[in-house]
Amino acid sequence: EAEVAQSPRYKITEKSQAVAFWCDPISGHATLYWYRQILGQGPELLVQFQDESVVDDSQLPKDRFSAERLKGVDSTLKIQPAELGDSAMYLCASSPNGAARSYNEQFFGPGTRLTVL
Amino acid sequence: AQSVAQPEDQVNVAEGNPLTVKCTYSVSGNPYLFWYVQYPNRGLQFLLKYITGDNLVKGSYGFEAEFNKSQTSFHLKKPSALVSDSALYFCAVRDTGTASKLTFGTGTRLQVTL
Repeated sequence: EAEVAQSPRYKITEKSQAVAFWCDPISGHATLYWYRQILGQGPELLVQFQDESVVDDSQLPKDRFSAERLKGVDSTLKIQPAELGDSAMYLCASSPNGAARSYNEQFFGPGTRLTVL
Repeated sequence: AQSVAQPEDQVNVAEGNPLTVKCTYSVSGNPYLFWYVQYPNRGLQFLLKYITGDNLVKGSYGFEAEFNKSQTSFHLKKPSALVSDSALYFCAVRDTGTASKLTFGTGTRLQVTL
């Protein structure tokens, strides 16, 4: 069964350092999402891609976070510099179609747990 | 703005007993509703969804959910709980009219004991 891949699974860094997370969605899925899940809360959308284009990054802290999906396949989420409050689980998800077919469920990867010291 | 409420942080049930995990929502138009389950240190797994039609939706692992428009609820149910059902459950909603992002509730931890 096809799955969303993420790496690394765990990352420990010191504040002010740069970190990067990678996601490979299910083959053929046009839409890719990055979520942040703080302990005890539900996932919150950071950025949504339709192919290589950003369709929603309204909740992305653009002063320190960046995301790209250059060829419309895999994606990288970067934080620079990391802050203590960035400690969370970062989840990647994909779905076959974009906002026009918004009833499609999303398929989630295992996540990257970030700890900022 | 759309929102989801899961009023119970934790639900405890004995194995073999029926379980219910509650969810209420708020959208300006009609909702698409989803339930996901999360096991420790894992991503979310899709359980079931309501799009339109029959108010009773059946999903994976014997779970079902009932859409109630008048009460704006979408409670998750299972007739007979298993210890392996113990996990974190999230309800999520998307407004069909705006094609907006998926909004998740804060989650309910289900604990099934022998």
